[in-house]
Amino acid sequence: SQKIEQNSEALNIQEGKTATLTCNYTNYSPAYLQWYRQDPGRGPVFLLLIRENEKEKRKERLKVTFDTTLKQSLFHITASQPADSATYLCALSYNNNDMRFGAGTRLTVKP
Amino acid sequence: SQTIHQWPATLVQPVGSPLSLECTVEGTSNPNLYWYRQAAGRGLQLLFYSVGIGQISSEVPQNLSASRPQDRQFILSSKKLLLSDSGFYLCAWTGRENTQYFGPGTRLTVL
Repeated sequence: SQKIEQNSEALNIQEGKTATLTCNYTNYSPAYLQWYRQDPGRGPVFLLLIRENEKEKRKERLKVTFDTTLKQSLFHITASQPADSATYLCALSYNNNDMRFGAGTRLTVKP
Repeated sequence: SQTIHQWPATLVQPVGSPLSLECTVEGTSNPNLYWYRQAAGRGLQLLFYSVGIGQISSEVPQNLSASRPQDRQFILSSKKLLLSDSGFYLCAWTGRENTQYFGPGTRLTVL
């Protein structure tokens, strides 16, 4: 069965640095790979989507890469701020309405 | 704009009691709807999804069931709760390219 691994259960970085989160998967590549942010006690909020034929996507301070050969996505937050502290989830989406989420990485940005 | 509602927000139930959680969506028609469960400190587990009225796909065999009596209503039920049913239950609808939009969630504690 499909496995999704988000390396690092927790990541601590200093304000202003770039945070890099990793999402690896096994088996077949998804049609879309998505990243979400989740704050404690709240539902996840969609951030970015990248398609299987795309290598990179950017949105403001966020950047996502997708390597279907390595079966890996990297999620970068540049010039990180304490307000970026949250849990970040990657999700694999297939054309048959199937959705699979990783366990998440808890990011803490220290001032 | 689309909004998604869930209730109740929190629930404390004894083992063996029944369960009914409701999710409704406004501002869209014929949405794909999903139920997820998130155990403390864990990722999202897909429980059910529905592509239309009366159409339910189950991902995990367990003592939960789902129903979709109306286009924008999705209900999660159980006849007898187990301790292991405790968790954070999230409903979501799907936008373009399977992007998920989550409700505020229901925190269920089974004692």
